[in-house]
Amino acid sequence: DAGITQSPRHKVTETGTPVTLRCHQTENHRYMYWYRQDPGHGLRLIHYSYGVKDTDKGEVSDGYSVSRSKTEDFLLTLESATSSQTSVYFCAISDKASSYNEQFFGPGTRLTVL
Amino acid sequence: SQQGEEDPQALSIQEGENATMNCSYKTSINNLQWYRQNSGRGLVHLILIRSNEREKHSGRLRVTLDTSKKSSSLLITASRAADTASYFCAPNYGGSQGNLIFGKGTKLSVKP
Repeated sequence: DAGITQSPRHKVTETGTPVTLRCHQTENHRYMYWYRQDPGHGLRLIHYSYGVKDTDKGEVSDGYSVSRSKTEDFLLTLESATSSQTSVYFCAISDKASSYNEQFFGPGTRLTVL
Repeated sequence: SQQGEEDPQALSIQEGENATMNCSYKTSINNLQWYRQNSGRGLVHLILIRSNEREKHSGRLRVTLDTSKKSSSLLITASRAADTASYFCAPNYGGSQGNLIFGKGTKLSVKP
């Protein structure tokens, strides 16, 4: 696996609580992504970052915010978790955009919101 | 949606047989990528085929691209039980960020 770690790997939380997921990379890649994976939907992009402090929304960004204060860390925050945000969350990294953009994925975080 | 659509959704074969998965997409692409996901794990990049390429090989994998039909296929030859996984295609439509749009995947089961 590329040098990508996600923490925590599993989390159970209650509706209305804030949750922060962390993605950490040791590859010095410029691009970082957060996806969620749900049965019947495949992978859907939540937010992505194309540099430190440069982020943008993906397909399913409502209810999520992100921050990237340094190259190696990309944080995903659920300000007030809802049951619909129960999912498996994957972080990915890439050092190229547009023409190539092969992505390397982390191991995932399984989040359950009760 | 611009996601790739894989077909079939599920495929069950015997070890040693070939497995073919198809992907269709909507508009012009820069490239198309295939990924594998083993149960409970993250996705792993398998192969990238550029829009000006028609066929590409990597070990037991063969990918074809037909831009006139907006479709791609992934062939796994002489399949093994270890090939059991979900396979995703991801068209890259380019643009300023070149984000990938993943399909829902084909779930391949290879029986020993």
